[in-house]
Amino acid sequence: GENVEQHPSTLSVQEGDSAVIKCTYSDSASNYFPWYKQELGKRPQLIIDIRSNVGEKKDQRIAVTLNKTAKHFSLHITETQPEDSAVYFCAAYSGGSNYKLTFGKGTLLTVNP
Amino acid sequence: DAMVIQNPRYQVTQFGKPVTLSCSQTLNHNVMYWYQQKSSQAPKLLFHYYDKDFNNEADTPDNFQSRRPNTSFCFLDIRSPGLGDAAMYLCATSRELGGVDTQYFGPGTRLTVL
Repeated sequence: GENVEQHPSTLSVQEGDSAVIKCTYSDSASNYFPWYKQELGKRPQLIIDIRSNVGEKKDQRIAVTLNKTAKHFSLHITETQPEDSAVYFCAAYSGGSNYKLTFGKGTLLTVNP
Repeated sequence: DAMVIQNPRYQVTQFGKPVTLSCSQTLNHNVMYWYQQKSSQAPKLLFHYYDKDFNNEADTPDNFQSRRPNTSFCFLDIRSPGLGDAAMYLCATSRELGGVDTQYFGPGTRLTVL
C-alpha cells in the first residue's frame, strides 16, 4: 500500500517568513495530492491540492509543487501570519482499486508574531 | 450552510458500553468515510461506503461497525468501547472515489471512554 512520509514534524517561523513542508510517497500510481490544515480541535480543511498531471499550483500565499519522478511534493506558504499556525497534513490518493487517502503524520506549524 | 454534520460533538461513554456516532451530509455525495484520529496523529481510515457498498479497512477492529440507511446519513457503532478507543472520530464525504474529488470533513466527535 501507499506510504507517505512528511517532514518536518514541527516548524517554527517568524511572521512574514516562508514555511516549507515536504512529503514523499511510495506508490507511483498515486494521482492526487491534497493538503489539509487542522486547527486545534477543528476539522481538517482542504487548503490546496494538486493532480499528477500538474507540476505546480498556486493560490495566493500558498503553493504546492509536485515532482512525480522523485515522488515528492511540497507545500510552500509565503508571508506567514499567526493565523497560519496549525497542523498541516499532506496526503496521497492511490490509483487502482485502493480507494483511499493516505495521510502523512502532520507538521505543527507555529508562526511567531 | 454546514455540509457535513456530526452529532454529538462530544460523547462520553463507559468502558464496554455501546455508543453510536452520527454523520449527515447535505452534499448528496456518494461516498462517506469514517476516520479515527488520536492526539497528534494523522486521521486513520476505518471504513467507507460507496452508496450502499461497505468497504472495511483490513486493520479496523471488529468492535467498529457502520450503517448507512440512506444517502444522507452514516453511523459509527462501537460495540464495546475500550480505553484505547478514545479519540476524535471524523466523518468525511466525497462525490466519487478514485481521487477525482476532494474529501470534505465534518467537525468530528470527540469520544471519551471512562
